[in-house]
Amino acid sequence: DQQVKQNSPSLSVQEGRISILNCDYTNSMFDYFLWYKKYPAEGPTFLISISSIKDKNEDGRFTVFLNKSAKHLSLHIVPSQPGDSAVYFCAASYRNQGGKLIFGQGTELSVKP
Amino acid sequence: DAGVIQSPRHEVTEMGQEVTLRCKPISGHNSLFWYRQTMMRGLELLIYFNNNVPIDDSGMPEDRFSAKMPNASFSTLKIQPSEPRDSAVYFCASSLKNSPLHFGNGTRLTVT
Repeated sequence: DQQVKQNSPSLSVQEGRISILNCDYTNSMFDYFLWYKKYPAEGPTFLISISSIKDKNEDGRFTVFLNKSAKHLSLHIVPSQPGDSAVYFCAASYRNQGGKLIFGQGTELSVKP
Repeated sequence: DAGVIQSPRHEVTEMGQEVTLRCKPISGHNSLFWYRQTMMRGLELLIYFNNNVPIDDSGMPEDRFSAKMPNASFSTLKIQPSEPRDSAVYFCASSLKNSPLHFGNGTRLTVT
């Protein structure tokens, strides 16, 4: 039973355009959501997060949107750059679970020059 | 900051052998997590520790798996005996209170 789902295994966009990565979750008790980025042969690295009390968080080219009623979040990257090519994981947690994260399956983003 | 350090980076072993994976968390972090990544199941949490105490080991697949954290700067994940289906990338991560997890670069385990 997957509590966090990323239904698109891959996404390809042109350099300079917007990349939109999507994530759905099933458990309404989740109160903290994160995006991680992973390059081959490396561990995931933290990118951006959002608390359930917000609906948007922005950090430079990266913006995360949260729609609690739809149990959906998305990561927008604009403008996309070739160096953004990586696997992106969505993760969710309960704050009182000591940081335990539940991950989606990941979406492989390819940004073409 | 050296980050989370895992060793070895690669491990190839034969079925039935004991395997020990090692992790050194970031200094000062009080939580440590072991994750496993496979094609079928993605990134799944095996066990996590707070202040060196195991809090949730519900993700540990079988009794063949065990994890220890004897002190704040070291943890091990042991598989005994290993099986081919244990082949995966094993990640260790650490964090401070509710801060985001910092991951190591993983150990790629192959059991033949």
